[in-house]
Amino acid sequence: DTAVSQTPKYLVTQMGNDKSIKCEQNLGHDTMYWYKQDSKKFLKIMFSYNNKELIINETVPNRFSPKSPDKAHLNLHINSLELGDSAVYFCASSQEHGGAEQYFGPGTRLTVT
Amino acid sequence: AQSVTQLDSQVPVFEEAPVELRCNYSSSVSVYLFWYVQYPNQGLQLLLKYLSGSTLVKGINGFEAEFNKSQTSFHLRKPSVHISDTAEYFCAVSDPIVYNTDKLIFGTGTRLQVFP
Repeated sequence: DTAVSQTPKYLVTQMGNDKSIKCEQNLGHDTMYWYKQDSKKFLKIMFSYNNKELIINETVPNRFSPKSPDKAHLNLHINSLELGDSAVYFCASSQEHGGAEQYFGPGTRLTVT
Repeated sequence: AQSVTQLDSQVPVFEEAPVELRCNYSSSVSVYLFWYVQYPNQGLQLLLKYLSGSTLVKGINGFEAEFNKSQTSFHLRKPSVHISDTAEYFCAVSDPIVYNTDKLIFGTGTRLQVFP
């Protein structure tokens, strides 16, 4: 069974569109994260949720809105997509704070044309 | 703000040779340190981590790392690499005192390329 899954794996869309990426973890973890990996492989945290509550919100444009319907799911909705949003988006989860291992999903490659 | 520097963007090495991937972090009173590996077209996987205690940390796949507080370094080593170790390696830090979360701050990554 996949521990952290993301859909879709690939997403190609045009500028100005709105799209969503879904993430689910079956590990029973309390905390979930979204990371963005750019074309140079640089990884940066975007958001973190703990028990459906937002606890980290980095300097991400308002066009990005995470939603956590329950603690096993953390979805990412992006409005008015821009070329610069092209990247690989990774979802991750961890059981607790204090240096716990984060388990990463396989990533969603978003291409904005 | 906390930062992580991986000095080598690429490290080519022959199979069965030893390797060291370097990582330095900006100083802090207390810090957690991690090495993650990313195989092509996959997510990241934890290799090892340092939270406290012994400064020599052993991880999966024969990797180990040494925490050096005076040099603010956490270099990753393997005595004999395999072709299958070819991947991108990321050093990361989280600072629980400053952030009180597990916000991981990543370095820019080191591409390890193992040649036969």
